[in-house]
Amino acid sequence: GAGVSQSPRYKVAKRGQDVALRCDPISGHVSLFWYQQALGQGPEFLTYFQNEAQLDKSGLPSDRFFAERPEGSVSTLKIQRTQQEDSAVYLCASSTELDSPLHFGNGTRLTVT
Amino acid sequence: QKEVEQNSGPLSVPEGAIASLNCTYSDRGSQSFFWYRQYSGKSPELIMFIYSNGDKEDGRFTAQLNKASQYVSLLIRDSQPSDSATYLCAVNIGTGNQFYFGTGTSLTVIP
Repeated sequence: GAGVSQSPRYKVAKRGQDVALRCDPISGHVSLFWYQQALGQGPEFLTYFQNEAQLDKSGLPSDRFFAERPEGSVSTLKIQRTQQEDSAVYLCASSTELDSPLHFGNGTRLTVT
Repeated sequence: QKEVEQNSGPLSVPEGAIASLNCTYSDRGSQSFFWYRQYSGKSPELIMFIYSNGDKEDGRFTAQLNKASQYVSLLIRDSQPSDSATYLCAVNIGTGNQFYFGTGTSLTVIP
C-alpha cells in the first residue's frame, strides 16, 4: 500500500518568502505529526493532529509556523516570512492510533537563501 | 536535561559482531519506546517498539527496556555493513501523543 507522501521533496526559498509543505498520510491513519530535523540532529516535534483537530502545537518555533488538516487527511505546514534558521528537513509521520509506531514520509528539504 | 538522550557516537563494530546502542529518557511515566534506523539522506524507518520491561527479539534485533533505570537499548547481532546508519531512539512522553527523539547514534559496521 501507499506510504506517507510529502511534497515537494526539495524547496528553495528566498528569505522572507512564504512556503507551504504538503503531507498525505497513510489512508486510515488518524494521527499525523510534523517534525523538523536539522543536519546531524534527531527529529524535533512541531505539532500533532488527531483527525482534523490540532491537539498539540507546542513545538512550533514561532507564530510564523502554521499547520492545518481541515478534513482529517492531507495536512499542510506553512511557514511565513522564512528565515535562514528555518532551513531543515521537514518530516511528516502518521500512525493508526495513540502510542502506535510512526510511519514517516520522505521529507521536504527546505533551504532558505 | 533533554527528554531523550543517546550517545552520538560514532560507534564502529566489525562485521559479525554485536552492536549495542543505548538510550535514556527523563519521564518515568513513559510507556512506549521505539527504535528507528535512518540512512543518510533518508527518512527514519521503524525497527522495533517495546512497551514492557524486559527483552523483545525480532530476527537479529533485540530491544531491552528497564523502566526502573529509565533505560532502553538495542542490540544488533551478526552486524552487517548494511546496518551502517544512524539509530534513533523515540519515547512517547507525557499524557499526550508526543514522541520525543534522541539525537541518534551513528553506527558503522566495518567489513
